[in-house]
Amino acid sequence: AQTVTQSQPEMSVQEAETVTLSCTYDTSESDYYLFWYKQPPSRQMILVIRQEAYKQQNATENRFSVNFQKAAKSFSLKISDSQLGDAAMYFCAYRSLETSGSRLTFGEGTQLTVNP
Amino acid sequence: DVKVTQSSRYLVKRTGEKVFLECVQDMDHENMFWYRQDPGLGLRLIYFSYDVKMKEKGDIPEGYSVSREKKERFSLILESASTNQTSMYLCASTQLWLGSSGELFFGEGSRLTVL
Repeated sequence: AQTVTQSQPEMSVQEAETVTLSCTYDTSESDYYLFWYKQPPSRQMILVIRQEAYKQQNATENRFSVNFQKAAKSFSLKISDSQLGDAAMYFCAYRSLETSGSRLTFGEGTQLTVNP
Repeated sequence: DVKVTQSSRYLVKRTGEKVFLECVQDMDHENMFWYRQDPGLGLRLIYFSYDVKMKEKGDIPEGYSVSREKKERFSLILESASTNQTSMYLCASTQLWLGSSGELFFGEGSRLTVL
């Protein structure tokens, strides 16, 4: 079974600065999807960014980008020019393309605080 | 936009009560999920469903059951609530097609407290 690990329970960043959230995963599969989700306080979880494993280019969505290291099984999220609205719980997730249908496996989460 | 609606944001129940958590999605998604979210444990899959009247156990199904009588509705049932089922429950849905990422769309969550 695949596992996803987020080793940073909490992170903080100053407004306008850059922060990187870490995620590692364990799998024997070669093709899969990786996701970062954001859960703001008392609001629903939304997708931040996704990456398909066979694509070598790192995904980017505006101020959010990933550093995908397939061999190292690492999938970190970089938030540039942090804003107060980025404060949230962030979850890394894995989806197999070989087994398990559409289910996602999630990490433990990282609580991000943005300081003004 | 996809909308996933969970019937109750906050519930307080007594030990031994039967609890129903309802989830409705409006995008004709075939796949629906119930996750449980606890601090330090992330999201853990309880049950999921690929189609009407079909269900499969996730990683922590003990103490729970589900019902999917209509495509848009997926219910989570706690037959006899216990204090260790105090948690946040998240419903999600998705539709798979060739080349899709299988992104999940989530409801706002139901925070259940069992006394």
